[in-house]
Amino acid sequence: NAGVTQTPKFQVLKTGQSMTLQCAQDMNHNSMYWYRQDPGMGLRLIYYSASEGTTDKGEVPNGYNVSRLNKREFSLRLESAAPSQTSVYFCASSERALTDTQYFGPGTRLTVL
Amino acid sequence: AQSVTQPDIHITVSEGASLELRCNYSYGATPYLFWYVQSPGQGLQLLLKYFSGDTLVQGIKGFEAEFKRSQSSFNLRKPSVHWSDAAEYFCAVGPTRANNLFFGTGTRLTVIP
Repeated sequence: NAGVTQTPKFQVLKTGQSMTLQCAQDMNHNSMYWYRQDPGMGLRLIYYSASEGTTDKGEVPNGYNVSRLNKREFSLRLESAAPSQTSVYFCASSERALTDTQYFGPGTRLTVL
Repeated sequence: AQSVTQPDIHITVSEGASLELRCNYSYGATPYLFWYVQSPGQGLQLLLKYFSGDTLVQGIKGFEAEFKRSQSSFNLRKPSVHWSDAAEYFCAVGPTRANNLFFGTGTRLTVIP
C-alpha cells in the first residue's frame, strides 16, 4: 500500500501561472482533505471532500479550486498563483469523518515568485 | 472561540530523558483531541487521540497524553526519549464550527546525545 501520494514534490511558479496538485489514496477512504502549512502556523484546511462527488470549503479556500475526480483522487488547482500561496501543501484522507485518523501525504513545496 | 495553543516553540532534551509537550485548548463542548508528529520532509502521522473514556491515552512509539478538563490541557509525554523522536509535534482539536480540525503551531523537538 502506498497510502497517500502527492505529485509533484516541488514546484516553482511565476505569479499568475496556474497549476494542479494531484493527490491519490489507496485505502478506500471516503474523506479527503487539502491543507497548507506555513512557517509558525499550524495546518490550515483549504478544502475537503466528505465523499465522491462532494466538496466543501475549509478555513482558507480563496484562490483555490478542487475536484474529487473519483474515490481515490482529489486535486487542488491554483488558477492564478500569487506569492501568498507559497506554502507546503498536504493532502490527507480519512475513513469517514474529520475526527477519524487522518493519513497524510508527503507534501508539495510550492514557491510562487 | 475554538483554538489550541502550544506554548513551547522548541524543546531540547537529552536522549533517555523524559519529555512533556504542552497543549492547551479552548472549546465549547467535549473536544476530540489529537497529537500528530511530523518528521523532517514528511507528512503528519497520528500519535494518539482522545474523545471520551479514560483520560490517559496511550499512543504509538511509547507516547501517552493526559486529558485534563479542569486545565483545558492535553499534554503529551514520553518517559524516555530516543534520538528518532526528533521531529515537530502538533496538537489539534475539533471539530470546529467550520468543520475543521484546528492545529496548533507545533513544537519542534531536538534530541541531543
